[in-house]
Amino acid sequence: DAKTTQPNSMESNEEEPVHLPCNHSTISGTDYIHWYRQLPSQGPEYVIHGLTSNVNNRMASLAIAEDRKSSTLILHRATLRDAAVYYCILRDDTGGTSYGKLTFGQGTILTVHP
Amino acid sequence: NAGVTQTPKFRILKIGQSMTLQCAQDMNHNYMYWYRQDPGMGLKLIYYSVGAGITDKGEVPNGYNVSRSTTEDFPLRLELAAPSQTSVYFCASSYSGDVDYEQYFGPGTRLTVT
Repeated sequence: DAKTTQPNSMESNEEEPVHLPCNHSTISGTDYIHWYRQLPSQGPEYVIHGLTSNVNNRMASLAIAEDRKSSTLILHRATLRDAAVYYCILRDDTGGTSYGKLTFGQGTILTVHP
Repeated sequence: NAGVTQTPKFRILKIGQSMTLQCAQDMNHNYMYWYRQDPGMGLKLIYYSVGAGITDKGEVPNGYNVSRSTTEDFPLRLELAAPSQTSVYFCASSYSGDVDYEQYFGPGTRLTVT
């Protein structure tokens, strides 16, 4: 599986934008970039995913570098509820034996200050 | 929809005891997964199922067993509990293993083996 690298922790102030980086220099052409987050004492929840183009949804935006070796999850206005561990995960689109597998790293702990 | 439910929320086992962690989903999802999360770490896949009657091993299956007799339920059995199985266990489900389908996670079961 292609590997991702994220900072261990980041801090933000409430109502400010947050840019969470992820490096994936060995990404293959069939790897999709997924982000999940895990709020304290809860199971992970899906945030966003993309392949090549930037993506937006109600939770966040995903900016993908042109060479796809890195990406950035953007929270436009952080709230206290956004304090969580954010995981950047590569998912293979070749189907078959991938069975939807998610391989979690250690993620980035985001702290949001009031 | 209740989504993915797990019982119990907490459990303490003595070494050598056995137990079953229950997981149910009401979204008619074909794929179901069991993960464990050790302190400060990402989740690791234990077992998965792509449909009723079909299960297979993930990364860390030793010491566990699963069955999938219905679409809704995916119990995880621990035989001869060991301290190394102290962890938080998450069940997840997805309509498909395709990259465009997210996984939905339950709230977790915190297990301590002493």
